[in-house]
Amino acid sequence: EPEVTQTPSHQVTQMGQEVILRCVPISNHLYFYWYRQILGQKVEFLVSFYNNEISEKSEIFDDQFSVERPDGSNFTLKIRSTKLEDSAMYFCASSEGTGRSTDTQYFGPGTRLTVL
Amino acid sequence: DQQVKQNSPSLSVQEGRISILNCDYTNSMFDYFLWYKKYPAEGPTFLISISSIKDKNEDGRFTVFLNKSAKHLSLHIVPSQPGDSAVYFCAAGEWGTGNQFYFGTGTSLTVIP
Repeated sequence: EPEVTQTPSHQVTQMGQEVILRCVPISNHLYFYWYRQILGQKVEFLVSFYNNEISEKSEIFDDQFSVERPDGSNFTLKIRSTKLEDSAMYFCASSEGTGRSTDTQYFGPGTRLTVL
Repeated sequence: DQQVKQNSPSLSVQEGRISILNCDYTNSMFDYFLWYKKYPAEGPTFLISISSIKDKNEDGRFTVFLNKSAKHLSLHIVPSQPGDSAVYFCAAGEWGTGNQFYFGTGTSLTVIP
């Protein structure tokens, strides 16, 4: 069964450094998403991406964040200058993008980002 | 801004019994609701969904009920099995808004053999 993959599984970085989290969505999917979950808190939507541009973004997704689909398979989240409060589990998801109400999002296993 | 709330952080149920997980939302514009299951060290997995035109959707042992007037939905698992032990997230959103969904904080279900 096709699945969303994410690398690395765990990233440790110093405050102020740039990080890039990588995701390979399911190959025929057209919508891509990033979510994060701070330890012990709810899963929060960050951004959705369709047709090579941001479709929607939350208040969390400020100028420090950017997303890119650099090639036909990868979908990346870049945090330009990490802060301690960016420490969280980051989940990538993808969906077919058919517009039907059953457009299920499939999540990757997550990348745990630790900012020191 | 907690638009989706799961007020029970944990729930323990005996194997074979019914598990009922509850979720409340505040935004009356939400018209699509989902339940996700999450095991440790894995991403959330879609379980079942319901749109606002229905009040019940059933898939095997899992049934989701929607009460629009109360802005409340629930997930029933019958019969509960030990493999159902996981964290269950409720999510809600407006269909057609870029698929942005708001998640609750999750309920950790433990099914006791």
